[in-house]
Amino acid sequence: EVQLVESGGGLVQPGGSLRLSCAASGFIFSSYSMHWVRQAPGKGLEWISYISSARTTIYYADSVKGRFTISRDNTKNSLSLQMDSLRADDTAVYYCARRPIPSTTSARWFFDLWGRGTLVTVSP
Amino acid sequence: QSVLTQPPSVSGAPGQRVTISCTGSRSNFGAGYDVHWYKQVPGEAPKLLIFDNSDRPSGVPDRFSGSKSGTSASLAITGLQAEDEADYYCQSYDNLSDSWVFGGGTRLTVL
Repeated sequence: EVQLVESGGGLVQPGGSLRLSCAASGFIFSSYSMHWVRQAPGKGLEWISYISSARTTIYYADSVKGRFTISRDNTKNSLSLQMDSLRADDTAVYYCARRPIPSTTSARWFFDLWGRGTLVTVSP
Repeated sequence: QSVLTQPPSVSGAPGQRVTISCTGSRSNFGAGYDVHWYKQVPGEAPKLLIFDNSDRPSGVPDRFSGSKSGTSASLAITGLQAEDEADYYCQSYDNLSDSWVFGGGTRLTVL
């Protein structure tokens, strides 16, 4: 089955750190670029980070730049997000999402597969 | 304040047609970036509904259609069904912020 499964969420104090993981299965993980997207409770979706298939290109949203680090291990079909200096407004469900492989006619800048998410709560 | 603007809510009776608008700007839709749509049932992960303005992934009924013109886009749902009740998000890429951006989401209520 093609799927993404996030893990690593939990309760952390402000200023603390947490590492999220996303396990991919059912597809050739090394061929796909990946994203992290989050959703604060009762709020909309917010893109936070992107990593290309070969790790050559990485982007971050301004809201997490300098605090979060995205990485991947193609030998383990795994995507990670290291979150440091956490703040209350980082509280959210964190989703990993896949970018489909670009075609000759489309850059495919969308998310075609999502995990179920993992909840991160930043609170004293 | 989302880069893409959607109405907070829309509603319709079963069988009716509803549309959800998504307004962008010169740095996203106006720059030629496509619009994509997602459906999210509360408590679940988002699901891709429309990509590249008007294409449907396999398995998405043709009751769902999308369009884009200039700096605006819309999602149309015909033959409303109870199972369509959900939150709908538009998404694109923005070259001013160099980021992938979403609309604030629209809650569809089937009366």
